[in-house]
Amino acid sequence: EAQVTQNPRYLITVTGKKLTVTCSQNMNHEYMSWYRQDPGLGLRQIYYSMNVEVTDKGDVPEGYKVSRKEKRNFPLILESPSPNQTSLYFCASRTGRNQPQHFGDGTRLSIL
Amino acid sequence: AQSVAQPEDQVNVAEGNPLTVKCTYSVSGNPYLFWYVQYPNRGLQFLLKYITGDNLVKGSYGFEAEFNKSQTSFHLKKPSALVSDSALYFCAVRGDNAGNMLTFGGGTRLMVKP
Repeated sequence: EAQVTQNPRYLITVTGKKLTVTCSQNMNHEYMSWYRQDPGLGLRQIYYSMNVEVTDKGDVPEGYKVSRKEKRNFPLILESPSPNQTSLYFCASRTGRNQPQHFGDGTRLSIL
Repeated sequence: AQSVAQPEDQVNVAEGNPLTVKCTYSVSGNPYLFWYVQYPNRGLQFLLKYITGDNLVKGSYGFEAEFNKSQTSFHLKKPSALVSDSALYFCAVRGDNAGNMLTFGGGTRLMVKP
């Protein structure tokens, strides 16, 4: 089954403790993205990747890092999380710039 | 910078009635437009897209959307709403001068009552 898998689905942690949210897709898609969803703000793009070793900043990249060492994986790294990064995070992938995105089921992060 | 506006936080409609969820956009260059739906505790699911061609686009689950270039709008419609259509709906746009950036609207909650 074609899917985008995120882990963990839920995480409560404390300020400053490094964390990684993993994202994996099994569709051989070139493009992958990370978004955060906040009430009333819709989804805002954090980072995206057009292929292995090619990444670029989205609208809200501050406080986040990503890497794309393999085509299928696109982890999101919070080196020193802060409470304003409490949010619902989505990973997505697609085959081309104008193709529909396939989304994971989301990761709800709470930073205390 | 590109932007998307969904002017209604919530739309209420009775089952069997037609529904419209509004979306307007601002981009540099030609727009590529998308509608997605989100059910509770799930990621977004693709409904339909406009890239070029006919202004009326048909998508999944009986939904359609009309692209209006002069009004910079891309409203989502369905002739007869179902209770199961109740969900959160997002409009998104990418301008062909915007690289790979996809910008989403704030979302509209659709409530269909029996």
